Amino acid sequence: SQQGEEDPQALSIQEGENATMNCSYKTSINNLQWYRQNSGRGLVHLILIRSNEREKHSGRLRVTLDTSKKSSSLLITASRAADTASYFCATDATGANSKLTFGKGITLSVRP
Amino acid sequence: EADIYQTPRYLVIGTGKKITLECSQTMGHDKMYWYQQDPGMELHLIHYSYGVNSTEKGDLSSESTVSRIRTEHFPLTLESARPSHTSQYLCASSPPQGQPQHFGDGTRLSIL
Repeated sequence: SQQGEEDPQALSIQEGENATMNCSYKTSINNLQWYRQNSGRGLVHLILIRSNEREKHSGRLRVTLDTSKKSSSLLITASRAADTASYFCATDATGANSKLTFGKGITLSVRP
Repeated sequence: EADIYQTPRYLVIGTGKKITLECSQTMGHDKMYWYQQDPGMELHLIHYSYGVNSTEKGDLSSESTVSRIRTEHFPLTLESARPSHTSQYLCASSPPQGQPQHFGDGTRLSIL
């Protein structure tokens, strides 16, 4: 089964609201990464959080990691219509030598 | 701004044809990857390479083959295309361990 499982599967919010997406995983990790994919395009890396970190910020993005619960959350604050995309978490498992395992993704729709 | 390039972007072709999907990167990354992604679904790793003359099969079994004769080039070949090969194929590369992957925009392949 997939290492990363995101929830919810789909999220629809109004512009200006915050969006919170969650990811759970099963094994020990070196780091966890979040990616964004616009329709018909490749993935773009957003943020990486290492296993010894608990929280990380990048602009309007905030990522948390709880290794005891094997879970992570991605918060997008003050969302914009341009944030509409699919978001994936990916885990770099211990011993996987940089091979990432991706979750099924969350489809975020931000209504203008 | 793409430093990893995939061609063609779209390919519609008949059953039984030999296909090569091209992937090139200009970042000097040793590690390269091929993923298969059906619409709205997760990414599945089908091949990866840790350097020249190194190729390995990924987590999802695939009838495709890859080669890595030059650092910057990682083509994927299907000897005889079938409708079951219809999917999006994404190429990625990464620097040494623990760093994010960089993705191309993908090839959307449709076998008639």
